[in-house]
Amino acid sequence: EAQVTQNPRYLITVTGKKLTVTCSQNMNHEYMSWYRQDPGLGLRQIYYSMNVEVTDKGDVPEGYKVSRKEKRNFPLILESPSPNQTSLYFCASSRAQAYNEQFFGPGTRLTVL
Amino acid sequence: SQKIEQNSEALNIQEGKTATLTCNYTNYSPAYLQWYRQDPGRGPVFLLLIRENEKEKRKERLKVTFDTTLKQSLFHITASQPADSATYLCALESGGSYIPTFGRGTSLIVHP
Repeated sequence: EAQVTQNPRYLITVTGKKLTVTCSQNMNHEYMSWYRQDPGLGLRQIYYSMNVEVTDKGDVPEGYKVSRKEKRNFPLILESPSPNQTSLYFCASSRAQAYNEQFFGPGTRLTVL
Repeated sequence: SQKIEQNSEALNIQEGKTATLTCNYTNYSPAYLQWYRQDPGRGPVFLLLIRENEKEKRKERLKVTFDTTLKQSLFHITASQPADSATYLCALESGGSYIPTFGRGTSLIVHP
């Protein structure tokens, strides 16, 4: 089944404790991205990747890092999480670029205390 | 500044009627516009894409129009069903930016 998977689905952590949210897709898509979704603000893009070893900032990249060492994986790293990063996070992938239909993962609900 | 606006108030309609959702934008020259459906606690699901040079697109009970003069897209669901109840998001991207911008979404509630 074609899908985007994220882990963990739920995470409660404390300020400053580094964490990684994994994202993997099995559709051989070149384009992958991370979004956060907050009430009243909608979906905002954090980082995107056009292909392996190619990443770039989205609208809200501060406090986040990403890497794209393999085509299928695009982990999101929070080196020193803060409470304002409490949010619902989605990973997405598409052929070529965002122009095409994006497939979203199930989401990761992160709470930073 | 660039802005995308979708009705923040929920749209309540009766089963069988046509639901019409609006997406307005300012200060964009979008190459295309997409509509997604999102159920509570789940990731958005792609529904339709319409390009700047297209006026209308259809898929089963769904229809999207795109008026670049009015800077508006309308999303219609005909013969609506309670299962259509969800939040609908529009997203657009100016050609070459690679960063789609999403509206905040409009909640649709279809009453049996």
